[in-house]
Amino acid sequence: GAVVSQHPSWVICKSGTSVKIECRSLDFQATTMFWYRQFPKQSLMLMATSNEGSKATYEQGVEKDKFLINHASLTLSTLTVTSAHPEDSSFYICSARALRTGRTEAFFGQGTRLTVV
Amino acid sequence: AQKVTQAQTEISVVEKEDVTLDCVYETRDTTYYLFWYKQPPSGELVFLIRRNSFDEQNEISGRYSWNFQKSTSSFNFTITASQVVDSAVYFCALSKGAAGNKLTFGGGTRVLVKP
Repeated sequence: GAVVSQHPSWVICKSGTSVKIECRSLDFQATTMFWYRQFPKQSLMLMATSNEGSKATYEQGVEKDKFLINHASLTLSTLTVTSAHPEDSSFYICSARALRTGRTEAFFGQGTRLTVV
Repeated sequence: AQKVTQAQTEISVVEKEDVTLDCVYETRDTTYYLFWYKQPPSGELVFLIRRNSFDEQNEISGRYSWNFQKSTSSFNFTITASQVVDSAVYFCALSKGAAGNKLTFGGGTRVLVKP
């Protein structure tokens, strides 16, 4: 099956610093990757759609200047949380879209638990 | 706009009992996909099933079974003879057009299986 690797799996950072989260498709090329956020005891909400070589599309209410997304290659998308604050503490998870046997499927990374102190 | 509703926020059962998780969805699209994922305490999402809007056949996989009914816009999930390892949060989700498109998730149902 397709493997998506997300790194780091957890991170603790100080308020005001920036944190970068990587999402890699290991055995397939992903022209599109999705970034989701999950606050404690809540559901997953789409933050943005990342397309290789172009600007990401952000969902309503997500600050594009705070959550920087870069999808510079067909196997890597990064999410940078800039000037992180405690309210940004959340579980961030990516999924990568693969084209397999004529149809698309999306595969999730393991997720990153961010704690801002 | 799409919407997925999981009315049960938490279900507690004793081991070996059956448990059914409800999922009701709303969409105006004729082509869509429905999913169920399991999220154990570690956080990762474990894919359980995908079903497209044109396939209403019910499915059984081991102790898991799914009932898809377009007439009621429901895609319910049953765990038969539950085990402690089934304790997790279960999410129902919907994507429009293709299986690889962005997902709209339901609120999730936390299942606690007691020994």
